[in-house]
Amino acid sequence: DGGITQSPKYLFRKEGQNVTLSCEQNLNHDAMYWYRQDPGQGLRLIYYSQIVNDFQKGDIAEGYSVSREKKESFPLTVTSAQKNPTAFYLCASSIGYFNSYVEAFFGQGTRLTVV
Amino acid sequence: QKEVEQNSGPLSVPEGAIASLNCTYSDRGSQSFFWYRQYSGKSPELIMSIYSNGDKEDGRFTAQLNKASQYVSLLIRDSQPSDSATYLCAVKRGAGSYQLTFGKGTKLSVIP
Repeated sequence: DGGITQSPKYLFRKEGQNVTLSCEQNLNHDAMYWYRQDPGQGLRLIYYSQIVNDFQKGDIAEGYSVSREKKESFPLTVTSAQKNPTAFYLCASSIGYFNSYVEAFFGQGTRLTVV
Repeated sequence: QKEVEQNSGPLSVPEGAIASLNCTYSDRGSQSFFWYRQYSGKSPELIMSIYSNGDKEDGRFTAQLNKASQYVSLLIRDSQPSDSATYLCAVKRGAGSYQLTFGKGTKLSVIP
């Protein structure tokens, strides 16, 4: 089955800890994205990656870091510098490199809570 | 600032009626437009994409695009209680752009 797998589904973080959210896709998509969603809010872009070993900051990158060592994987680390990390984190991917008519598909999300 | 605006709702329609969801965008360079459905606590699911002016129909869903007015809409015919969800409008610029900009979503409630 092709798809995007995020893990874990729920994650609890203590103050001052770094945590890493996993995102894996087997769709052979070039581009991958991380979004954050807060209650009643739209999705805000954290980071995106067009190809392996390259990634760009989105609108709210502060306090987050990513890597793209493999085409299939785009993990997100929420660092202690992120002051308000409690949110629903969504990973997405899309095919298409030069084509603008690309559709993005989402994983099932990780709900992060600071305790 | 590139923005996508949606009425947050809730929009309530009786079962069997047509639900009309609207979205406006500010970036005239936008070329791709998407509607996602998001059930409470779940991730967004792509239901429609539209790239050129006019209507695009898929089952009970019709997407309408008017680039001159910078307006995109989603019609849901014969609304069912299972259509109750938040609908997110997403907009993307042209070739070479990978960023989707999302509206905050419209919450739809279909009343049996």
